[in-house]
Parts: sequence; structure tokens; C-alpha cells
Amino acid sequence: DGGITQSPKYLFRKEGQNVTLSCEQNLNHDAMYWYRQDPGQGLRLIYYSQIVNDFQKGDIAEGYSVSREKKESFPLTVTSAQKNPTAFYLCASSIDLRGAVQYFGPGTRLTVL
Amino acid sequence: GENVEQHPSTLSVQEGDSAVIKCTYSDSASNYFPWYKQELGKRPQLIIDIRSNVGEKKDQRIAVTLNKTAKHFSLHITETQPEDSAVYFCAASRTDSWGKLQFGAGTQVVVTP
Repeated sequence: DGGITQSPKYLFRKEGQNVTLSCEQNLNHDAMYWYRQDPGQGLRLIYYSQIVNDFQKGDIAEGYSVSREKKESFPLTVTSAQKNPTAFYLCASSIDLRGAVQYFGPGTRLTVL
Repeated sequence: GENVEQHPSTLSVQEGDSAVIKCTYSDSASNYFPWYKQELGKRPQLIIDIRSNVGEKKDQRIAVTLNKTAKHFSLHITETQPEDSAVYFCAASRTDSWGKLQFGAGTQVVVTP
């Protein structure tokens, strides 16, 4: 299961605080993604990036921000503007954006207290 | 945009029986259909995928069928075993442009001894 890692596994945050989730991959993949998983709702795309220094909003980008300064790294910041941030966050990567297999990280479970 | 519906949401089968999960999609241009398995607390992992130039694909006890005319595809698991218990997600995307994966809501499969 190596290749794409996320940290931390569990994260607790107080309301009003920003928090950053880490995602690193050593698969030499160009494309990276962030998904949010809530019970009964499948995976919803937050942001994606096809190349360094470029990223695009997904379906539920409000209250989140990302950066892609290195090919290997795609951190996600959950800001205080996100109204319901408690969820399981999954990072994924693929060779490119065109129908390539996505490989997922182990996820970070964020709980807002 | 693409919309993927998945049924049933839960499925209980006796060990040794078959399980079938069905998904429908809305975008006739979608041509890539992966299935992911997610065990409790783990990351989603690709178990099988199919592209629109074939109607069926098999890998040991799992198979996927695709009906492009009706815009639906199905996952078949034969001779189910307790380790098949997990949440299964279908997804659809198009590869002629950026192929954002649209996921179904998932099916919780429980295999009882």
C-alpha cells in the first residue's frame, strides 16, 4: 500500500481554526485529487491538480484551499469557512487526468470539536 | 455533468452465493467504469475496471458487465467469501477530455457465514 501517504490519520480541530492535511506520493504521478467521504454519499471531489502550480475546483471546493508547489505533494487546508468539516478525507493520484486509474491514500479522519 | 446512481445501498448475502451491484450513468460520452472496494477504515482500492469498447470483463470471482445502450454497468461477485464484506463504489468518467470520476453512493456488502 505504499506510494501515496496521508498524515495525520486522525485530526481534531476546534471550531474557527484552519487545519492542513498532508498528501505525498512517490509514484511520479502528474494528477492528484482530494475527496471528501461522508456516510452514504460516496466520494465527492474537492480539488484536483493536473500539474505543478495548477489546480482546479471540484464539486465542493467552498471552505477548502490547496497548493501544488511540488509534484509529490498536494496539501489540503480546511478553513474555518467550511461549515461542516467533520469527515473522512482521501487523497488520490493518477498518471494523468484522462481516465487513468486513481490510487488512494489511507485517508485522514478530521473531527471538529 | 455526469450522474451515477448505484443500487442497492446494502446487500446481505450468504457465503457462497453471488452478489450483484448495479450502476446507471447519465453521460453517454462516459467510457471508463472502475469499481473500488473499501474495507472498514481502509482506503478504496480498484478491483476491476472496464472501458466502453468491451461488454464484459472477468477477474477470478469478480466480473463487470457494461450495457452502453442502456447506460448501466454491473459488478458480479461469485462464490462470496467473508473477506468480500466491504463497501463497493462504482464510478464513471470520459477519457476524451479531463475524465473526472463521478462516484456512486456505494453499496455495503455483508457476507454472512
